[in-house]
Amino acid sequence: GAVVSQHPSRVICKSGTSVKIECRSLDFQATTMFWYRQFPKQSLMLMATSNEGSKATYEQGVEKDKFLINHASLTLSTLTVTSAHPEDSSFYICSASPTGGEQYFGPGTRLTVT
Amino acid sequence: DAKTTQPPSMDCAEGRAANLPCNHSTISGNEYVYWYRQIHSQGPQYIIHGLKNNETNEMASLIITEDRKSSTLILPHATLRDTAVYYCIVRAGMNRDDKIIFGKGTRLHILP
Repeated sequence: GAVVSQHPSRVICKSGTSVKIECRSLDFQATTMFWYRQFPKQSLMLMATSNEGSKATYEQGVEKDKFLINHASLTLSTLTVTSAHPEDSSFYICSASPTGGEQYFGPGTRLTVT
Repeated sequence: DAKTTQPPSMDCAEGRAANLPCNHSTISGNEYVYWYRQIHSQGPQYIIHGLKNNETNEMASLIITEDRKSSTLILPHATLRDTAVYYCIVRAGMNRDDKIIFGKGTRLHILP
């Protein structure tokens, strides 16, 4: 199947700093990628839809100025958590689809804000 | 998207078939049933999907009732590596832009 990678796999940052997470489709092009967040023992929560060459679409309740998404190419989307706080500590997962319907997910990035 | 209902957890003995049920009584005619699973601390993994016919691949079988209001995912010979949270999702069409909304899923424990 298609491969989606994320970098870094784990990151620890201090409160107030910003951190960037990359999502790449390794063997296919993706005009649309999705970003999810998952807290311990909870399900995945969709944060936003990342569209190549245009602005991201954010789900209700997700602060677009705090979670900056850039989809500059057909194989790369980035999520930047700005002014991170301990409550932003979570597991962030991206997904992309090379063909209609079957989304493939990245391995996730665990963010810890101290 | 239509909502789905799954049992919160299930146990299955290693080597036996694991049958995971899902109710989707409000599914509409153009909506597909998808199954994903998430092993601890990993991203979700696509398993199988179907519209109205039963489907089988190398991982699992999907049985959809004739009225499409429920389905069952079958792992024919469960192994310890199948321990994961399994998500049943209903999605409209095959558009790659269709977002996936995850419910709580079923936590499957494979017992040695």
